[in-house]
Amino acid sequence: DARVTQTPRHKVTEMGQEVTMRCQPILGHNTVFWYRQTMMQGLELLAYFRNRAPLDDSGMPKDRFSAEMPDATLATLKIQPSEPRDSAVYFCASGPSGEKLFFGSGTQLSVL
Amino acid sequence: GQQVMQIPQYQHVQEGEDFTTYCNSSTTLSNIQWYKQRPGGHPVFLIQLVKSGEVKKQKRLTFQFGEAKKNSSLHITATQTTDVGTYFCREYNFNKFYFGSGTKLNVKP
Repeated sequence: DARVTQTPRHKVTEMGQEVTMRCQPILGHNTVFWYRQTMMQGLELLAYFRNRAPLDDSGMPKDRFSAEMPDATLATLKIQPSEPRDSAVYFCASGPSGEKLFFGSGTQLSVL
Repeated sequence: GQQVMQIPQYQHVQEGEDFTTYCNSSTTLSNIQWYKQRPGGHPVFLIQLVKSGEVKKQKRLTFQFGEAKKNSSLHITATQTTDVGTYFCREYNFNKFYFGSGTKLNVKP
């Protein structure tokens, strides 16, 4: 079965370090989303791409976060420098349109 | 910011009891989707509703879209322990997507 692949599954880092999370969307899907999930905030939209073009990154802290799609098979989310408040589960999701999404297993990030 | 309100936040039921979660929006929606997330897992797409007044069923799950397309509900008949998880609605409106805050369902055997 086709699935969205996220790496790494777990990341523990120290405050100030750069963190890069990667996502391989399902082949043929033209929309890619990055979400952050915490107990307090639920599922927060960080970035949304359609055909590799960023359409909405209004939920992303621009000073430290960046999201890119260098090609159709790879989406990246970077945090530099990381802070303890960035600790969360980061999900990537892809879909043939924006509605039905297939989620990856997530990256559990802990910033000490 | 988020525009869809989802209630209740938590629901604890005895196995066999029914369960309902509601999503309400201040604006007319283009469509709405429902997702389920098991503890420790990722959200999984359940269904999409598009038409006014639409009702769809998946076994013990019934999904409804309001006539005014401003609200939606998910009803589970005779809950089972496998229904445990958090149920999210997600709306699409004005080229934006918003997840509801989710309803966490716990089912006691």
